[in-house]
Amino acid sequence: KAGVTQTPRYLIKTRGQQVTLSCSPISGHRSVSWYQQTPGQGLQFLFEYFSETQRNKGNFPGRFSGRQFSNSRSEMNVSTLELGDSALYLCASSLGGPSSSYNEQFFGPGTRLTVL
Amino acid sequence: AQSVAQPEDQVNVAEGNPLTVKCTYSVSGNPYLFWYVQYPNRGLQFLLKYITGDNLVKGSYGFEAEFNKSQTSFHLKKPSALVSDSALYFCAVRDILVTGGGNKLTFGTGTQLKVEL
Repeated sequence: KAGVTQTPRYLIKTRGQQVTLSCSPISGHRSVSWYQQTPGQGLQFLFEYFSETQRNKGNFPGRFSGRQFSNSRSEMNVSTLELGDSALYLCASSLGGPSSSYNEQFFGPGTRLTVL
Repeated sequence: AQSVAQPEDQVNVAEGNPLTVKCTYSVSGNPYLFWYVQYPNRGLQFLLKYITGDNLVKGSYGFEAEFNKSQTSFHLKKPSALVSDSALYFCAVRDILVTGGGNKLTFGTGTQLKVEL
């Protein structure tokens, strides 16, 4: 079974631009979560989508948004990029059903975003 | 709010020796705890989890973790370390306060494990 895939793997943008990152979950997984990883703040939860609906949201400004498609693929968008948005963005998928409390999440390799 | 603490930024151990990476947690209610490992330029790989049941949990690559409710700890262990175990290890707790079920993990700050010959 193929793992979680994320595209692109690397991105360089300038301040003020916007960016869209893509995540394809493991086949059969309906939950997709996004995390931001930085040296200073560590791993922080952005949001989770399940069945095309945002189920949970972390403490990030509205510039960070996401969506999920009917095939469970997900995208996240960051508008008006700031230098502090430079980070590794990780996507994770899980089954996401009623027993989601017990399910581990499987992570993709991440997208390394650099904002200049 | 749930939280986890990893008190050691780095742990050094000789190959063949046992290793322990420490994690303590703070939760309301029953804890759902996880360990992940991250190799350079890679995402996180799942090692093991504690949901309920036996306090000793066995996971991938020979790792195990001991859940201790009285000490609110969930330390990761391996009887004999390998150089290839050198990586960044994260402890995480699932946030049980999320609405409608779902996945939100709160991670510790990570512990860099270095295994030397």
